[in-house]
Amino acid sequence: NAGVMQNPRHLVRRRGQEARLRCSPMKGHSHVYWYRQLPEEGLKFMVYLQKENIIDESGMPKERFSAEFPKEGPSILRIQQVVRGDSAAYFCASSPPGQVYEQYFGPGTRLTVT
Amino acid sequence: SQQGEEDPQALSIQEGENATMNCSYKTSINNLQWYRQNSGRGLVHLILIRSNEREKHSGRLRVTLDTSKKSSSLLITASRAADTASYFCATDAGNNDMRFGAGTRLTVKP
Repeated sequence: NAGVMQNPRHLVRRRGQEARLRCSPMKGHSHVYWYRQLPEEGLKFMVYLQKENIIDESGMPKERFSAEFPKEGPSILRIQQVVRGDSAAYFCASSPPGQVYEQYFGPGTRLTVT
Repeated sequence: SQQGEEDPQALSIQEGENATMNCSYKTSINNLQWYRQNSGRGLVHLILIRSNEREKHSGRLRVTLDTSKKSSSLLITASRAADTASYFCATDAGNNDMRFGAGTRLTVKP
């Protein structure tokens, strides 16, 4: 059973471009969480999704950021018109249905905005 | 991928007691972080301790770090029912290379 996959592992974008980060949860997992980590800081929760539903987006910036978890395919975190301050590591985690106290983390995507 | 290993995997205590959770890791780190996860929620950052620090406090939380033993502990004093959650440690080896343990499930009985 492969772990949580994220791609790309490293992404470089110029200011104003769009960034798309993908997260494939572990097989059988229907819950996905996205986190952002700035250098030397802890993870900050962004959004929690179940298949086709956003459950909690209290940590998402109001503008330019969006997330989805379609019925088929990976979860996508989309950042439009990136700015330098978006440079960070973005981690996703998944958990199985009914196991609300478990999270399994992916290796992260390192976004650099130039 | 999981690197840090928390123990115990599950801990059940009475309200008012102290709870201690441990985390061991394998590689050199820049810092170690502890997180809490309440039921069905995302992780909440509790404390970050750097590799050159030995102890840190935040309210009822006390974290220690022993880099020679590659281990850390999280102590919650005077526990409350609301402390019931899973607690995760995460090691940051730099360049945002973070690894999480599988967590300790803490139950505090009223």
